Amino acid sequence: NAGVTQTPKFRVLKTGQSMTLLCAQDMNHEYMYWYRQDPGMGLRLIHYSVGEGTTAKGEVPDGYNVSRLKKQNFLLGLESAAPSQTSVYFCASSYLLAGNTGELFFGEGSRLTVL
Amino acid sequence: SQKIEQNSEALNIQEGKTATLTCNYTNYSPAYLQWYRQDPGRGPVFLLLIRENEKEKRKERLKVTFDTTLKQSLFHITASQPADSATYLCALEDAGNMLTFGGGTRLMVKP
Repeated sequence: NAGVTQTPKFRVLKTGQSMTLLCAQDMNHEYMYWYRQDPGMGLRLIHYSVGEGTTAKGEVPDGYNVSRLKKQNFLLGLESAAPSQTSVYFCASSYLLAGNTGELFFGEGSRLTVL
Repeated sequence: SQKIEQNSEALNIQEGKTATLTCNYTNYSPAYLQWYRQDPGRGPVFLLLIRENEKEKRKERLKVTFDTTLKQSLFHITASQPADSATYLCALEDAGNMLTFGGGTRLMVKP
């Protein structure tokens, strides 16, 4: 049982490049989330999904897109990377919606540097 | 605006002592609060959830209190061990029905 798996774990991009972060969960959870974590800022919600084929914006969605084509996968895309997107990205999933006492299960994180 | 405050300065304590971490919030009326542990280079791991009608919750050496009048939660680790060294995050249900996290407090337990 792998839980939540994120790929890649590390990536360096140049400004303007695009990339996709992949998140996969094997717990059959309906809900999935993408957070970014910056020093002193805590975890901030980028986008989330309440089920296959659905996505919604979180607190800091600008510059990111997401897709949930399969229940077990949640993709985070950066179309034109900017230095401000240098961060550690965490994917999470939950059985219940986070706001309804849903405990979050996190991946190990993906460290992205944009030069 | 909604705000969650955790002490950004590291808490250093001696092994065997009780560690107490604080989570203060403003402009929230959360029905519950969660605590997570995060080790360097790893994702957060869920520890405890406490509901607004629960004053205190315990799990092994962990104890969490929730004071909705003071808008504060305290997280205690009794008989602390060096293995307890980590960053501890509190999270609240926000107005959008999502979890919002505090910045975390780093705990260092010295042998």
